[in-house]
Amino acid sequence: DIQMTQSPASLSASIGDRVTITCRASQGISNFLAWYQQKPGRVPNLLIYGASTLQSGVPSRFSGSGSGTDFTLSISSLQPEDVATYYCQTYNSVPHTFGGGTKVEIK
Amino acid sequence: EVQLVQSGAEVKKPGESLKISCKGSGYSFSNFWIAWVRQMPGKGLEWMGIIYPSDSYTKYSPSFQGQVTISADKSINTAYLQWNSLKASDTAMYYCARGDGFGELSSPLDPWGQGTLVTVSS
Repeated sequence: DIQMTQSPASLSASIGDRVTITCRASQGISNFLAWYQQKPGRVPNLLIYGASTLQSGVPSRFSGSGSGTDFTLSISSLQPEDVATYYCQTYNSVPHTFGGGTKVEIK
Repeated sequence: EVQLVQSGAEVKKPGESLKISCKGSGYSFSNFWIAWVRQMPGKGLEWMGIIYPSDSYTKYSPSFQGQVTISADKSINTAYLQWNSLKASDTAMYYCARGDGFGELSSPLDPWGQGTLVTVSS
């Protein structure tokens, strides 16, 4: 099974800061990588798929990059509504494993 | 509107059985995979397994194989997650989610159901 490792586990940043989260796969997954946002007490929401394609309706301050084993999710200018836990997920092969999550807070 | 609506919260005792549901609407239910995802209290997301409603072909995570049963009834656009004997450690929120690609197993999950909270306590 493919393991997905996210870092950091949590971060605190100021409004307007650029935030970067990394996700590493234990073996190559091409671009079969999705990012989800889960706000406190809410249902997870698809942000990015195919490693870099923004889901419809997602603000353009979010972006994704990477291929193979190393991926990043960036928020260009952190906003208060971005407080959430972010998860990566591979859907290359079963099981479609999630990363452990990165909790983003406002400093 | 594409939507998944899950059954309501459950409180059960250890050893009891349970079947929760996920009803799809607004799309061709048979032709999109449905996954189940567990979230234990205060923890992350865990992918449990996935089913293709058209033929009920199912694949499980090794962590959940033999612990739960995933099924579907395409005639009523509903997928299910079932336990034969619940444990306290099954206490969690359970989400269903649709694979976003028509007929594609390798798809991201969108949309998600609202979640079903299962509490197992004596």
